[in-house]
Amino acid sequence: DTEVTQTPKHLVMGMTNKKSLKCEQHMGHRAMYWYKQKAKKPPELMFVYSYEKLSINESVPSRFSPECPNSSLLNLHLHALQPEDSALYLCASSQGAYRAAGNTIYFGEGSWLTVV
Amino acid sequence: DQQVKQNSPSLSVQEGRISILNCDYTNSMFDYFLWYKKYPAEGPTFLISISSIKDKNEDGRFTVFLNKSAKHLSLHIVPSQPGDSAVYFCAASASTGNQFYFGTGTSLTVIP
Repeated sequence: DTEVTQTPKHLVMGMTNKKSLKCEQHMGHRAMYWYKQKAKKPPELMFVYSYEKLSINESVPSRFSPECPNSSLLNLHLHALQPEDSALYLCASSQGAYRAAGNTIYFGEGSWLTVV
Repeated sequence: DQQVKQNSPSLSVQEGRISILNCDYTNSMFDYFLWYKKYPAEGPTFLISISSIKDKNEDGRFTVFLNKSAKHLSLHIVPSQPGDSAVYFCAASASTGNQFYFGTGTSLTVIP
């Protein structure tokens, strides 16, 4: 089972709203990722959690706040977003972050976010 | 700094023929390579991978070839089917790090 589950699939929010994206995997993976993807562009890395600790933050604005409550769950808290933040937000996981060779990263279906 | 490049943004192939998607990389530390297929508004789906200790890996209609000296890999799909129409991303990683680097994608259209 190579499933990463994301909710909600679609989200429309105003620029003053606070919302959260959720991600869950039960593959025993110890690395979890948030990516942002615009149409016909490659996934753009935002955050990496390794063993439930934030290991990479790719200079993402503070209006995006990740949280890893446990090894299976990953959240992305959204606050005061801008219209240009509208994109597909992808959660992903892989077996082990510090031995990336041989690891395959598996993506969820994504949460399509529209900021109005 | 784009470490993984897909120089063909699009490719059209007749149904039943071979599709060849190319990918180049610059970082000699990369030792694991992956291909993903993506439909609009969906997450990328893992297709096939190859370790740097191999030069070929095959899975059904999909074969990935790796030329380490040229820092080049390719994905062959044969025979191509209309359902293969999607954007294909190659990705690379190094055992010394925990990031995956993606190419810019190639949009494949298989014409019935």
